[in-house]
Amino acid sequence: DIHMTQSPSTLSASVGDRVTITCRASQSINSWLAWYQQKPGKAPQLLIYRASNLVSGVPSRFSGSGSGTEFTLTISSLQPDDFATYYCQQYNSHPDTFGLGTKLEIK
Amino acid sequence: QVQLTQAGGEVRKPGSSVKVSCKSSGGVFSRYIISWVRQAPGQGLEWMGGVIPMFGKANYSQKFQDRMTINADESTRTVYMELRSLRSEDAAVYFCARGGLGNYIDSWGQGTVVTVSS
Repeated sequence: DIHMTQSPSTLSASVGDRVTITCRASQSINSWLAWYQQKPGKAPQLLIYRASNLVSGVPSRFSGSGSGTEFTLTISSLQPDDFATYYCQQYNSHPDTFGLGTKLEIK
Repeated sequence: QVQLTQAGGEVRKPGSSVKVSCKSSGGVFSRYIISWVRQAPGQGLEWMGGVIPMFGKANYSQKFQDRMTINADESTRTVYMELRSLRSEDAAVYFCARGGLGNYIDSWGQGTVVTVSS
């Protein structure tokens, strides 16, 4: 199975900050990577697919980049609604695997 | 816009089985993959298996293939996931989701809490 490593596991930041979350794959996954946002007690929500494609309706402050084994999710200016846990998922190889998540906390 | 609706929570004893349902409404049902993803308390997401209803044959993560069955009923637009030989580590929220198996997941059910306790 492809192992996905997310960092950091926890990130403390303030409203207005620019933050970056990294996801590394144990082998190349081309661009077959998605990012999800999950809030407590809720199902995850898709933010970005194929590494850099923003889902319709997701604010443009979210962006994704990368290919191969290294990927980033950037939030350009944090808003109060963005404090949540973020997961990456590779869907290049069976089985799909997720990172362990990055919890974005208010500083 | 597809909507996935799951039944409420389940409580089972160790060694027993649980069957969780996921009803799809809106959108096309038969051609899209429906996957099951679980999340243990305070933990991350784990893809378990999935099925394309029109083909019927499910694909499983090797971790679960010996004790898990996924099947789909096209007439009721419902996908079922059965997990057998439950152990305490299986206590989790089980989500059905559209996607997985080589696709990103664009819709999720609200989750079914499965409690395993003697």
